[in-house]
Amino acid sequence: DIQMTQSPSTLSASLGDRVTITCRASQSVSKWLAWYQQKPGKAPKLLISKAYSLESGVPSRFSGHGSGTEFTLTISSLQPDDFATYYCQQYTSYPYTFGQGTKLEI
Amino acid sequence: QVHLMQSGAEVKKPGSSVKVSCKASGGTLRSYVISWLRQAPGQGLQWMGTIIPRFGTSTYAQNFQGRVTISADESTSTVHLELSSLRSEDTAVYYCARDANPNYCNPTSCSPLYYYGLDVWGQGTTVTVSS
Repeated sequence: DIQMTQSPSTLSASLGDRVTITCRASQSVSKWLAWYQQKPGKAPKLLISKAYSLESGVPSRFSGHGSGTEFTLTISSLQPDDFATYYCQQYTSYPYTFGQGTKLEI
Repeated sequence: QVHLMQSGAEVKKPGSSVKVSCKASGGTLRSYVISWLRQAPGQGLQWMGTIIPRFGTSTYAQNFQGRVTISADESTSTVHLELSSLRSEDTAVYYCARDANPNYCNPTSCSPLYYYGLDVWGQGTTVTVSS
């Protein structure tokens, strides 16, 4: 199975900050990587697929980069609605695997 | 507009089975590929398996082999997840989610190029396993 490792596990930041979350794969997943945002008690929300393709309706302050084994999710200017937990997921092959999550807190 | 509606919360005894449903609206079941995932309390997301209703085939995570069955009922546009031999560690929220474009799938896999991402989710079903 492909192991996905996110860092940091917890990130403390302030409104307006620029933050970056890193996701590393144990082997190449090409560009087949997605990012999700999850708030307590809610289903995850897809933000980005194909490593960098922003989903419709997702604010442009979110961006994804990377390919192969190293990926980043960047939020350019934190807004109140952005404080949540973020997960990366590889879908190059079954089993789909997720990072352990990054909790973004104020 | 694709929408997935899941069945209600369940409380089960250890050793029993649970069946969770996911009803799709906004198209026929053949126009979907559906994955099931779960999230234990305070934990991350875990993929359990995927069904391609067009072919009637399912792929399961090794961790659940022999205990999980994912099936589809086209007459009701519903996908079911059944998990047997329940133990306390199976206590979790179970989610269904839309997966890939079935037009670019074979019976055992789908092209990642046409993967939607898990872009539409059910609301989640809490399964509690307790004696």
